Amino acid sequence: DQQVKQNSPSLSVQEGRISILNCDYTNSMFDYFLWYKKYPAEGPTFLISISSIKDKNEDGRFTVFLNKSAKHLSLHIVPSQPGDSAVYFCAASGAQGAQKLVFGQGTRLTINP
Amino acid sequence: DTEVTQTPKHLVMGMTNKKSLKCEQHMGHRAMYWYKQKAKKPPELMFVYSYEKLSINESVPSRFSPECPNSSLLNLHLHALQPEDSALYLCASSQGTTIYNEQFFGPGTRLTVL
Repeated sequence: DQQVKQNSPSLSVQEGRISILNCDYTNSMFDYFLWYKKYPAEGPTFLISISSIKDKNEDGRFTVFLNKSAKHLSLHIVPSQPGDSAVYFCAASGAQGAQKLVFGQGTRLTINP
Repeated sequence: DTEVTQTPKHLVMGMTNKKSLKCEQHMGHRAMYWYKQKAKKPPELMFVYSYEKLSINESVPSRFSPECPNSSLLNLHLHALQPEDSALYLCASSQGTTIYNEQFFGPGTRLTVL
C-alpha cells in the first residue's frame, strides 16, 4: 500500500523554466510534508517542508503548495538550473507517530541547457 | 560540522559473515535513524533512536541489530544476511524527536550480500 505517491518517474525541463513536481498521499492523518533532493552516491538532502496548517511555503527558488482536500502537494522550482537535476522525493509524517517519514517513489528531474 | 558520515561506503559480505555499519554525527542531534533503500525504491525506515534509546523498530528481522553507543554514534550490526538484503543503507539524524525536525542523511553504505 503506497501511502505517498509520485506518479511521474521522470521530468525534463528547459533551463530557466519552471519545474513542477507532484505528490499525492492517501492517509489523511499525515500533517507534515517534506521534499528531499538526492544526487547519485549521496544521501537525500532536505529542501523544504510544509505543515498541514499552511497551503504554501516559499524558500528562494523553491515553493511547496499543499492542497489538503485533494491530498496533493507540489514543488515548484523557478527558475530551473542545471544543478537542480537530481531525484526528488516527497515525504510525509504524522500518521504513524512522530519521526516516521514515509517517502514517495521519487521523480528524476533533468534540466536541459 | 553539519554532516552525517557513514562507513564503509561499500561492503560485500557472505551470508555467514558478521559485519557492522557505522554512522556518526557531531551536530548534537538527539535522534538517529537507519533506512534501507532498494534500487529505484524510496528509503524505508528500519530503526529510530531517540536520546540513545531505541524508539522505533519497524519489524526488522533480527539479523539486523542496531546499537547506539552514545549520542553521536549509531551502528548497525549485520549477521547471517540474505542476498535480498543487498541495498543502500542510509543513516540520518535530526535535532529533535518530533516530526517537525528535518532529518539530515549520510551518503549511505552500499551493501552486497553474496
